[in-house]
Amino acid sequence: AQTVTQSQPEMSVQEAETVTLSCTYDTSESDYYLFWYKQPPSRQMILVIRQEAYKQQNATENRFSVNFQKAAKSFSLKISDSQLGDAAMYFCAYRYNSGNTPLVFGKGTRLSVIA
Amino acid sequence: KAGVTQTPRYLIKTRGQQVTLSCSPISGHRSVSWYQQTPGQGLQFLFEYFSETQRNKGNFPGRFSGRQFSNSRSEMNVSTLELGDSALYLCASSFASGRNSGNTIYFGEGSWLTVV
Repeated sequence: AQTVTQSQPEMSVQEAETVTLSCTYDTSESDYYLFWYKQPPSRQMILVIRQEAYKQQNATENRFSVNFQKAAKSFSLKISDSQLGDAAMYFCAYRYNSGNTPLVFGKGTRLSVIA
Repeated sequence: KAGVTQTPRYLIKTRGQQVTLSCSPISGHRSVSWYQQTPGQGLQFLFEYFSETQRNKGNFPGRFSGRQFSNSRSEMNVSTLELGDSALYLCASSFASGRNSGNTIYFGEGSWLTVV
């Protein structure tokens, strides 16, 4: 079974600084997707970034970028120029490339942004 | 384009009662899935529907059931509620119908269920 591990339950960062959240996963599949979701206090899950496993190039979305190391099964999220609105729970998630397989989530990392 | 809409947002039920939660997916999305989020267990997959058919089911007891209508709207039902069913129930939708058909899943704001 696939598993996703986020080893940092809590992280903090100063406003305008850069922070990296770690995620490792375990799978025997080669065709899959990885995601980072953000869950602010409102509790809605918001997609931050997505990475296709077959793409070697790391995904980037504005201030958010990933470091995808397929052989190491590592998928970290870097947030640059951190803003107060980035404070939230961040979940790393895995999904096998099929139409009906569910997301497998990590336990999450709570990110605090210090003004 | 409207996002995933869930109703009700908050509800309180008594042990032994049953509850129905509703979800309207993003327009054009035919896959709807449900997740339960609790502090202890984290996010767990309940089930997924596509074109009114359940395609996948998580490891939950039979008290948890769902269905999908022809307009892709979905409901989930929990019967004989237990205290441990208190959770945030998240509905999600995607366009996906098969491999490489769009694997991104979008979530609603959730339904907070408290069982007393």
